[in-house]
Amino acid sequence: AQSVTQPDIHITVSEGASLELRCNYSYGATPYLFWYVQSPGQGLQLLLKYFSGDTLVQGIKGFEAEFKRSQSSFNLRKPSVHWSDAAEYFCAVGARSGYSTLTFGKGTMLLVSP
Amino acid sequence: DTGVSQNPRHKITKRGQNVTFRCDPISEHNRLYWYRQTLGQGPEFLTYFQNEAQLEKSRLLSDRFSAERPKGSFSTLEIQRTEQGDSAMYLCASSPFDRGTNYGYTFGSGTRLTVV
Repeated sequence: AQSVTQPDIHITVSEGASLELRCNYSYGATPYLFWYVQSPGQGLQLLLKYFSGDTLVQGIKGFEAEFKRSQSSFNLRKPSVHWSDAAEYFCAVGARSGYSTLTFGKGTMLLVSP
Repeated sequence: DTGVSQNPRHKITKRGQNVTFRCDPISEHNRLYWYRQTLGQGPEFLTYFQNEAQLEKSRLLSDRFSAERPKGSFSTLEIQRTEQGDSAMYLCASSPFDRGTNYGYTFGSGTRLTVV
């Protein structure tokens, strides 16, 4: 069975500082990987996804993520955080075939301090 | 196309009452999913449809829950005899289907259910 671990429940970052949110997955083959962001009371918005090819993927709002097969990780990064980035971030994994649903991690809440 | 639409945004109901939520997916998406999200958790899969066929249901979906997608367009999720433990955000998502590719989802804004 596939699973996702986001080891950090909360992270606080100063505005303008860099950010890295961790995600580790468990899956028997190379998965499809996703990062979503959720603002309070809202649905989830797709930030970026990894399907194949270049292991460093670029997303919206200046985010990027790197797939590391050897570490089963897909960490999300941003070089300079803005106050508007404060939200909850979810990593998700799915099989490569279209016959699969997504499995989500429990999320990491990002707090941005002035 | 305005994305995935969910109604109502909020629902407060008394324990034991029935509630129904509606989801209108992106029109060209033939896959529709229902997820539930409780406080401090990620979304948990409930069920999904391909066109009008309900293809998979989670063990989380007790017999008090029923979902339909008549004509393969909008979907409804009904909860009968609600319990306080049903209080959660119910998220709908849609995606195109290609047996060789997992496109991920486009989510709606969710329906927040509070059972009092």
